[in-house]
Amino acid sequence: KQEVTQIPAALSVPEGENLVLNCSFTDSAIYNLQWFRQDPGKGLTSLLLIQSSQREQTSGRLNASLDKSSGRSTLYIAASQPGDSATYLCAVQNTGNQFYFGTGTSLTVIP
Amino acid sequence: DAGVIQSPRHEVTEMGQEVTLRCKPISGHNSLFWYRQTMMRGLELLIYFNNNVPIDDSGMPEDRFSAKMPNASFSTLKIQPSEPRDSAVYFCASILQLGGELFFGEGSRLTVL
Repeated sequence: KQEVTQIPAALSVPEGENLVLNCSFTDSAIYNLQWFRQDPGKGLTSLLLIQSSQREQTSGRLNASLDKSSGRSTLYIAASQPGDSATYLCAVQNTGNQFYFGTGTSLTVIP
Repeated sequence: DAGVIQSPRHEVTEMGQEVTLRCKPISGHNSLFWYRQTMMRGLELLIYFNNNVPIDDSGMPEDRFSAKMPNASFSTLKIQPSEPRDSAVYFCASILQLGGELFFGEGSRLTVL
């Protein structure tokens, strides 16, 4: 069964710093990997979707990479802002149309 | 598009009562998922439908839980009878097709007293 791990579980950085969130998965037979953001009391908002044939995707200050063979993805956030404070989750979609989620990284950006 | 729409947003009920949660997926999306989120267990898949047909319900906790999708634009998750341990946030999500981007609703926060 696919297992998805996110490290660290929590991260606190000063405003303006660049940061990297990590996601690893055990089974490389995936369709895609998706990064989400979740604010307290809210649903999950899709940030980036990387297909298994792609190496990276970019949206604004966010850049996500995928190394399928090693079972790793990173989410890079440039010039962090207090508004980036949230929990970030990654999910892999397998060939059976199921999604496996990590437990998330709780990010706090200190003004 | 209005996104995935869930109702109610909050539900407080007493143990033993029936609870019905509702979901309207994004128009045209072929697959719909029900998840439950708690602090202890994170996100858990309860059931998912493809073209209105239940494909995998192995995550449904027990017979007290049931889900239906009578048409492409509506699904329900029912708990009868409800118990305090069912208290959680229940999310509905949908995707256009296999390999597509997953979109979530805002969730239904259930509290069973």
